Amino acid sequence: EPEVTQTPSHQVTQMGQEVILRCVPISNHLYFYWYRQILGQKVEFLVSFYNNEISEKSEIFDDQFSVERPDGSNFTLKIRSTKLEDSAMYFCANPLTRLGYNEQFFGPGTRLTVL
Amino acid sequence: DAKTTQPPSMDCAEGRAANLPCNHSTISGNEYVYWYRQIHSQGPQYIIHGLKNNETNEMASLIITEDRKSSTLILPHATLRDTAVYYCIVLSNAGGTSYGKLTFGQGTILTVHP
Repeated sequence: EPEVTQTPSHQVTQMGQEVILRCVPISNHLYFYWYRQILGQKVEFLVSFYNNEISEKSEIFDDQFSVERPDGSNFTLKIRSTKLEDSAMYFCANPLTRLGYNEQFFGPGTRLTVL
Repeated sequence: DAKTTQPPSMDCAEGRAANLPCNHSTISGNEYVYWYRQIHSQGPQYIIHGLKNNETNEMASLIITEDRKSSTLILPHATLRDTAVYYCIVLSNAGGTSYGKLTFGQGTILTVHP
């Protein structure tokens, strides 16, 4: 069964450092999403990416965050200067089919720990 | 998107049916009911969705009341691996910039006991 893959599985960084989280989606669907989940809290939408542009972003997705599709298949989420409160699981997701935008396949997540 | 209400937790014996309720009394005509689950430390997993008819797939069944104000997710023969947080999400399948933006609530923690 195809899978969404995310790397690294766990990233530990110092406050103020830049981190890049990577994701390989399950399909060439035009939509792509990033979510995060702080430990013990609910999954929160960060940003949607459509046809190589940001479609919608939440208030969490401030100027410290950016999302790119550097080589046409992989997606990255960059946090320029990490803060302690950025510690969370970060999930990427993309729709299963071209018809079902709300049926999304999530990756296993990257656990980001900011010290 | 319409607000949903789910019980915070439920228990179920292994092999029995797990019936997870969801209230969505403010659902509008073009909004679908989606169910996802999240097994501990994993990414959310899509289960099933429906508009007004009952739906069944290899994972579960979805029963939506005639007035569409509530629904029930049924896992017909729960196993220990079904222990997870189950989320009921209501949203439109119409286009627009919010396409696919899933808003997760607190969900229902289902614990399946041996």
